[in-house]
Amino acid sequence: QKEVEQNSGPLSVPEGAIASLNCTYSDRGSQSFFWYRQYSGKSPELIMFIYSNGDKEDGRFTAQLNKASQYVSLLIRDSQPSDSATYLCAVKAYSNYQLIWGAGTKLIIKP
Amino acid sequence: DTGVSQNPRHKITKRGQNVTFRCDPISEHNRLYWYRQTLGQGPEFLTYFQNEAQLEKSRLLSDRFSAERPKGSFSTLEIQRTEQGDSAMYLCASQGGQTNSPLHFGNGTRLTVT
Repeated sequence: QKEVEQNSGPLSVPEGAIASLNCTYSDRGSQSFFWYRQYSGKSPELIMFIYSNGDKEDGRFTAQLNKASQYVSLLIRDSQPSDSATYLCAVKAYSNYQLIWGAGTKLIIKP
Repeated sequence: DTGVSQNPRHKITKRGQNVTFRCDPISEHNRLYWYRQTLGQGPEFLTYFQNEAQLEKSRLLSDRFSAERPKGSFSTLEIQRTEQGDSAMYLCASQGGQTNSPLHFGNGTRLTVT
């Protein structure tokens, strides 16, 4: 059974600090990794994707991938109250089209 | 680019009734997915189309669920004889380019079965 694990939270971070969200996956054949943000009652919105080991930065967001440790993370710098949402990690194996989803981490940014 | 469009946004129905949802993907995307999501969970895969071909359907999916994509453009998801356990957010996503490209979601259809 392929799994993606996330801490459900809530993770509470002061405004302006760095929020760190973590995700582990079980399938070593995984090739593509995605972070989605989901506000309550809304659909998932793509934040970042990463395919290679290392860091990938986009504005205030940095995705980090370590395939040896089967670990992907999302860092949010200068956290804003508008970043308060559930963050979903999704992982795709090379061998098929399906995404395996984590249950999400609820992030709360406190003003 | 108008993004992925789903209709209706909300649907309330009585148990035992049939419901149909529609999804219009991003026009150049040839792959289309249906997911279901309940509170506190990640999206649960239902089915997948490449163009008009339905290539996969979740083994967990009841025979009451059926989906079509007749011309490889819009798709419909029908649930027959709805049950209270069908209450959820139904999400459609489309994908273009490589198979490892990101999925783009519509706003979803929230189904409530009373």
